[in-house]
Amino acid sequence: QSALTQPASVSGSPGQSITISCTGTSSDVGAYNYVSWYQQHPGKAPKLMIYEVTNRPSGVPDRFSGSKSGNTASLTISGLQTEDEADYYCSSYTTYSAWVFGGGTKVTVL
Amino acid sequence: QVQLQESGPGLVKPSQTLSLTCTVSGGSIRSGSYYWSWIRQPAGKGLEWIGRFYTSEITNYNPSLKSRVTMSLDTSKNQFSLRLSSVTAADTAVYYCARDSVGITAAGAYWGQGTLVTVSS
Repeated sequence: QSALTQPASVSGSPGQSITISCTGTSSDVGAYNYVSWYQQHPGKAPKLMIYEVTNRPSGVPDRFSGSKSGNTASLTISGLQTEDEADYYCSSYTTYSAWVFGGGTKVTVL
Repeated sequence: QVQLQESGPGLVKPSQTLSLTCTVSGGSIRSGSYYWSWIRQPAGKGLEWIGRFYTSEITNYNPSLKSRVTMSLDTSKNQFSLRLSSVTAADTAVYYCARDSVGITAAGAYWGQGTLVTVSS
């Protein structure tokens, strides 16, 4: 299985909005509404930020939002804050009953 | 709140079998109640899903690792285990255990802190 495609890096100034794309195929992103997003700070375990394309777990700020169109999912961070600087990974369930991750996107707050 | 903690040898020799345990606290581990997963991350690289266990009849593995992976649950010890055979340097990574949650379909809703495994002679 191939990893989902994410941009290597995205940057923005505090208060701005940024969007991270996650491109897959009709066998993963396009097949189900089972796309999730994880935030990972250096040396820490990933933290679930979005599940099932648009849902936020309890405690995740509402400035994090997710969407999907066809084979591409997106994570938008509105009102960017310094603590949002981290690596972000998308993940999708696949038609062969496996999960696949994206290569990761480094978000820099300028 | 459920907590997960990985443990196991930090150094494994090439061609040997890597064995890791995930100890669960804050809840009982039961077959058929949640998906229990292993995910790894080589230094400076992205996440790779290894596989998941639901019951002994319902397990799913990454196709690229399937021939070398075994996962199991030990409900008496509240532990979840990973065995990866015939390891090479490419298996050097931080290994995470994870669990989904009620109403949340994701590779992992709860994660352990991770444990570094180095494959070297």
